[in-house]
Amino acid sequence: GEDVEQSLFLSVREGDSSVINCTYTDSSSTYLYWYKQEPGAGLQLLTYIFSNMDMKQDQRLTVLLNKKDKHLSLRIADTQTGDSAIYFCAESPPYNQGGKLIFGQGTELSVKP
Amino acid sequence: GAVVSQHPSWVICKSGTSVKIECRSLDFQATTMFWYRQFPKQSLMLMATSNEGSKATYEQGVEKDKFLINHASLTLSTLTVTSAHPEDSSFYICSGSGVTKNIQYFGAGTRLSVL
Repeated sequence: GEDVEQSLFLSVREGDSSVINCTYTDSSSTYLYWYKQEPGAGLQLLTYIFSNMDMKQDQRLTVLLNKKDKHLSLRIADTQTGDSAIYFCAESPPYNQGGKLIFGQGTELSVKP
Repeated sequence: GAVVSQHPSWVICKSGTSVKIECRSLDFQATTMFWYRQFPKQSLMLMATSNEGSKATYEQGVEKDKFLINHASLTLSTLTVTSAHPEDSSFYICSGSGVTKNIQYFGAGTRLSVL
């Protein structure tokens, strides 16, 4: 079945790196995503990776994809207090009609000064 | 990235009334729009998927007569919560996808409180 799992909480100190992990079940997923949600707001697309890639870097964000283990991670370098938010991992299985996304439960990142 | 505007951001209504939430894609044509519901500290639950000019496809367990979705143009979709009750209180979020079907852009969400 479809299932995306994330740990619920992560706490880091400002300036450290944060690593948020995600496991997914559908090995045929073509796209995998990271979204950020600040309190009371919608979701902001941070980055996404195609399933034929192993890594994608965009400024402070690095996404690593291990297809064998169905494991996706998001690394935030030099984490700032403004990075405090909930981070959702999502997959897009190809058999879904119209690009339906399957979301994880979200990881609440707390950045302490 | 593409912008999706959602209004209102917060609405309080009395039990038994209906509430309409609007979702607009501002700088792209959203051929598909999605409506989600989110409970506190939980993930997003997909309610329905709508394609412009077609009837919405509802997820299992979502009452289509209670949550009316209209997607009359490529830039506007609406969700109407009919005869709202306190249990309908929640955070509702819309998203739209355009040419790249697998990329969804989200609105800021609407907090509905039913008294």
